[in-house]
Amino acid sequence: DSGVTQTPKHLITATGQRVTLRCSPRSGDLSVYWYQQSLDQGLQFLIQYYNGEERAKGNILERFSAQQFPDLHSELNLSSLELGDSALYFCASSADRGETETQYFGPGTRLLVL
Amino acid sequence: QQQVKQSPQSLIVQKGGISIINCAYENTAFDYFPWYQQFPGKGPALLIAIRPDVSEKKEGRFTISFNKSAKQFSLHIMDSQPGDSATYFCAALSTGTASKLTFGTGTRLQVTL
Repeated sequence: DSGVTQTPKHLITATGQRVTLRCSPRSGDLSVYWYQQSLDQGLQFLIQYYNGEERAKGNILERFSAQQFPDLHSELNLSSLELGDSALYFCASSADRGETETQYFGPGTRLLVL
Repeated sequence: QQQVKQSPQSLIVQKGGISIINCAYENTAFDYFPWYQQFPGKGPALLIAIRPDVSEKKEGRFTISFNKSAKQFSLHIMDSQPGDSATYFCAALSTGTASKLTFGTGTRLQVTL
């Protein structure tokens, strides 16, 4: 158990809808990262927050947004969902801004868009 | 653009054998190279990592070999066990900058009895 929690575990929704994925980092970790894992694209970095502020951005679509709250939990919002958004979404956390490397991954949220 | 290339895509090894997974990178700014292990239904878990100032790092049955000039690194699993059956991802990171882990495409390892 990495100490990173994600809810929900599974999510089934329809195209055009909006969903929110939630992540609680390990106790004391200030950075939260979001990744998307799909069969054709592998593990792709989406975005990082450090202590409430956006620190790094990857291949995140404009339909997606994230935020980190004062209690350090984070939410990833996916809107106008398309079939291709079906994937596993992982959250990871680290103690610092990312310079010293170790990221601990949560169990993921499996999103299915029908 | 795929910045970390991983091979093979899948690997079948007999119990007790050596599993070898290779990765190559392009970005010379990468200075941290972790390997992650992922079991079905679970998130990736850090297995072992190396920095380019050393050519080899060993932790138990797992060894990373690193060739800075060739921009290649590999994971060796000695005495492979059925419990090692998982998907392995190499990754690379440029510490000190925007900390985006770039992952390889993964290798599905199956260790047979």
